[in-house]
Amino acid sequence: DQQVKQNSPSLSVQEGRISILNCDYTNSMFDYFLWYKKYPAEGPTFLISISSIKDKNEDGRFTVFLNKSAKHLSLHIVPSQPGDSAVYFCAASGTSYGKLTFGQGTILTVHP
Amino acid sequence: NAGVTQTPKFQVLKTGQSMTLQCAQDMNHEYMSWYRQDPGMGLRLIHYSVGAGITDQGEVPNGYNVSRSTTEDFPLRLLSAAPSQTSVYFCASTLTPAGTDTQYFGPGTRLTVL
Repeated sequence: DQQVKQNSPSLSVQEGRISILNCDYTNSMFDYFLWYKKYPAEGPTFLISISSIKDKNEDGRFTVFLNKSAKHLSLHIVPSQPGDSAVYFCAASGTSYGKLTFGQGTILTVHP
Repeated sequence: NAGVTQTPKFQVLKTGQSMTLQCAQDMNHEYMSWYRQDPGMGLRLIHYSVGAGITDQGEVPNGYNVSRSTTEDFPLRLLSAAPSQTSVYFCASTLTPAGTDTQYFGPGTRLTVL
């Protein structure tokens, strides 16, 4: 039972345009959501997060939106750059022990 | 700081063999965990530890064993390797067990079981 789902395996975007990566979750006990970025042959690195008490969090070119009623979050990257090409994982946490539940990942390719 | 280090980077085993994946961190983090990444499955938690001497099971613990004798090290043991354990394994650490704390991942170990 996949509690965190990223239904788009891949996304292709032109440099300078907006990239929108989506994530859905089913467990209403999740109260903290994170996005991780992963390059080939490297471990995931933290990108941005949002608490369930907020609906938006911004960090430079990256913005995460949370819609609790729809159990949906999205990551916006504006403007997209070729160096953003990577696999993006959505993750959720709902316990005090920091156990993350990850989505399947979305491969983002930004073309020059 | 080296952060989170993992050895080896690559390993090929035959079915039934045992081995230990090493993980170490130099950030004095109390909380460490092991994940496996499989195509179309994301990362799944295998085992975790909230401090030296304390470990617990994650989502997919079968076939794996862990121990935590020091704050720095958290090895993952495969008792009798099976082809289903072919995967990329990531170790992670975080300062506190709070879900809001950033987890730092190692570079991964790519394991193939024949």
